Amino acid sequence: QITLKESGPTLVKPTQTLTLTCTFSGFSVGAHKEGLGWLRQHPGKAPEWLAIIYWDDDKHYNPSLRNRLTIAKDTSKNHVVFTMTNMDPVDTATYYCAHRRRVRFDHWGPGTLVTVSS
Amino acid sequence: NFMLTQPPSVSGSPGETVTISCTRSSGNIAGFYVHWYQQRPGSAPITVIYEDNLRPSEVPDRFSGSFDTSSNSAFLTISGLKTEDEADYYCQSYDTTSPVVFGGGTKLTVL
Repeated sequence: QITLKESGPTLVKPTQTLTLTCTFSGFSVGAHKEGLGWLRQHPGKAPEWLAIIYWDDDKHYNPSLRNRLTIAKDTSKNHVVFTMTNMDPVDTATYYCAHRRRVRFDHWGPGTLVTVSS
Repeated sequence: NFMLTQPPSVSGSPGETVTISCTRSSGNIAGFYVHWYQQRPGSAPITVIYEDNLRPSEVPDRFSGSFDTSSNSAFLTISGLKTEDEADYYCQSYDTTSPVVFGGGTKLTVL
């Protein structure tokens, strides 16, 4: 059974860097063809994908945010860490990590609301 | 880049059948899988249909997926509507340059 959970700050100041950790079980991000993604969702809007990392360390970033994003995996700890630099109030959203199976996200964490405010 | 367009809202009464469309702006709808997610308020999305028409085992068979190449659209059909089906529904697909594209979402109201 795959489970995921996001952790990190719920409040960050403008210009700060957001660091979120996804802790998961039921799969290994080092195993062949496994992947994990980060997404966010503004209230009343569709999810927006941010970054995906695969078992072979292949990484994909949303082109519109690419220069602000980093994703990295720690296979030994079953963690994936996501960072977004230069946070702005418009980045206030619920952030999700999700298991990537082929071309979809089949299991999602519960999400964590991140507020950007001074 | 392509877009997926969904109607903002649909509604139906308990027991009825509703269909939600997802129209692809460019690229062949049949060439790239479409997935459908259900999201209830305050919860994360869950998959109700994947790879066009496959249903996770935990999803009732009242949910089905299809596509039509003439309209370049995918469809989520929910039959025998229940109040618990009231939620937002999102389609998602991809292409060779965009690994993830979501539709704008459809709010289903069960009257």
